[in-house]
Amino acid sequence: TAGITQAPTSQILAAGRSMTLRCTQDMRHNAMYWYRQDLGLGLRLIHYSNTAGTTGKGEVPDGYSVSRANTDDFPLTLASAVPSQTSVYFCASSSGTERAGEQFFGPGTRLTVL
Amino acid sequence: GDSVTQMEGPVTLSEEAFLTINCTYTATGYPSLFWYVQYPGEGLQLLLKATKADDKGSNKGFEATYRKETTSFHLEKGSVQVSDSAVYFCALKTSYDKVIFGPGTSLSVIP
Repeated sequence: TAGITQAPTSQILAAGRSMTLRCTQDMRHNAMYWYRQDLGLGLRLIHYSNTAGTTGKGEVPDGYSVSRANTDDFPLTLASAVPSQTSVYFCASSSGTERAGEQFFGPGTRLTVL
Repeated sequence: GDSVTQMEGPVTLSEEAFLTINCTYTATGYPSLFWYVQYPGEGLQLLLKATKADDKGSNKGFEATYRKETTSFHLEKGSVQVSDSAVYFCALKTSYDKVIFGPGTSLSVIP
C-alpha cells in the first residue's frame, strides 16, 4: 500500500508564479491536511478537509487554496508564490476527525521560491 | 489556549544511553496524547499514543505514560541506538478534534 504520495518531491519556483502541490492517498481516509514545516517554527496547519467536498482554514491559510473534489486527492495551490512560502510541505490524512491524532504523513515537497 | 511544550534540543546521546524527552501540555477537557517521529528526509510517523489518564503507550522500545496530575507525557527509551536519531514531536488531540503539535526535539545518537 502506497499510503500518501506527494508530487513533486522538490521544486524551485520564481516569485509570482503559481503552482499546485499534489497529494493522493489510497487509504480511503475521510480527513486530509496540509502542513508547512519551517526550522524553528515546527509544523503549522495550512488547510484541512474533514470529508470530500468540504475544506477549512488552518493556522496559516493566506496565499494558499485547496480543493477536495473526491476522497483521494487534496491539492494545494499557491496562486502567486512569494519567497516566504519557501518551506517543506507535508500532506497528511486520518480516517476521520475522531482519529485526527493518528495521522499518516506523505514524504513532503520541498519548495523554494526565488 | 491548548498547547504543547517540549524540551529544547538538540539532544545528543551515546549509543545504549537512556533517553527522556519531556513533554507537557495545556488543554481543556480530556485530550489524547501522541508521540510522532520524523527521520531525516521523511514525513512524520506515529510512534505511540495514549487516550486517557494513566495509559501507557509503547512501540519500538519507546514508552510514554499519560500523567494527568502533572499534565505530562514524557517519552523514554532504555537504550537508544544510532537508528533512533530523528526529530520527535509530542502532540495532543483536543476534545473537539483539533490536533496541536509541539515544536519537536532533535535527537542525535552517536556510536
